[in-house]
Amino acid sequence: KAGVTQTPRYLTKTRGQQVTLSCSPISGHRSVSWYQQTPGQGLQFLFEYFSETQRNKGNFPGRFSGRQFSNSRSEMNVSTLELGDSALYLCASRRGPGQPNTEAFFGQGTRLTVV
Amino acid sequence: KQEVTQIPAALSVPEGENLVLNCSFTDSAIYNLQWFRQDPGKGLTSLLLIQSSQREQTSGRLNASLDKSSGRSTLYIAASQPGDSATYLCAVSPRIITQGGSEKLVFGKGTKLTVNP
Repeated sequence: KAGVTQTPRYLTKTRGQQVTLSCSPISGHRSVSWYQQTPGQGLQFLFEYFSETQRNKGNFPGRFSGRQFSNSRSEMNVSTLELGDSALYLCASRRGPGQPNTEAFFGQGTRLTVV
Repeated sequence: KQEVTQIPAALSVPEGENLVLNCSFTDSAIYNLQWFRQDPGKGLTSLLLIQSSQREQTSGRLNASLDKSSGRSTLYIAASQPGDSATYLCAVSPRIITQGGSEKLVFGKGTKLTVNP
């Protein structure tokens, strides 16, 4: 059974540009959450999606956005990139709401470097 | 606001030693607690999931306990090996009544474990 797939694995962008990251959850999982990991702040929750709807959002500026498609794949977008956006972005897959007691599985992450 | 703390931040032990990693959380209203392992530059690998109604879970050389009322969990690693070297993270799923089951996880900052041959 395939795990959580995140693409691309590595990305370098220039300040001011925008970027789109992709996450395909485990087959049958309908909930996708995104996290930002930095050495200083650790893992911080960005947002979560189920059935193409954002259910919860973390404390990040509006430059961070996301969406989910009907096949449960999700994308997150960061506009007007800043140096501080350099981080490992991780996606988590779960069966779905109403079943929050299920295990979360993570992808390998996308390493974003802003120069 | 739920906060998760892991102590110590780093731990170095000789191979073969049994060890305990600690995790504490401030709000006992949780669905579950999950332990993860992260190798440098990689994603998170799930190790153990403990439901709020459970006291412990075991997988191989790993045993995790949960004391929800005191806001504590421990991860016990038996007979440590160099391959166990990694950062270990614990995370809780907060029970957010108004949101009907948020999928959000709140993480500690991890314990970096080094097992020396």
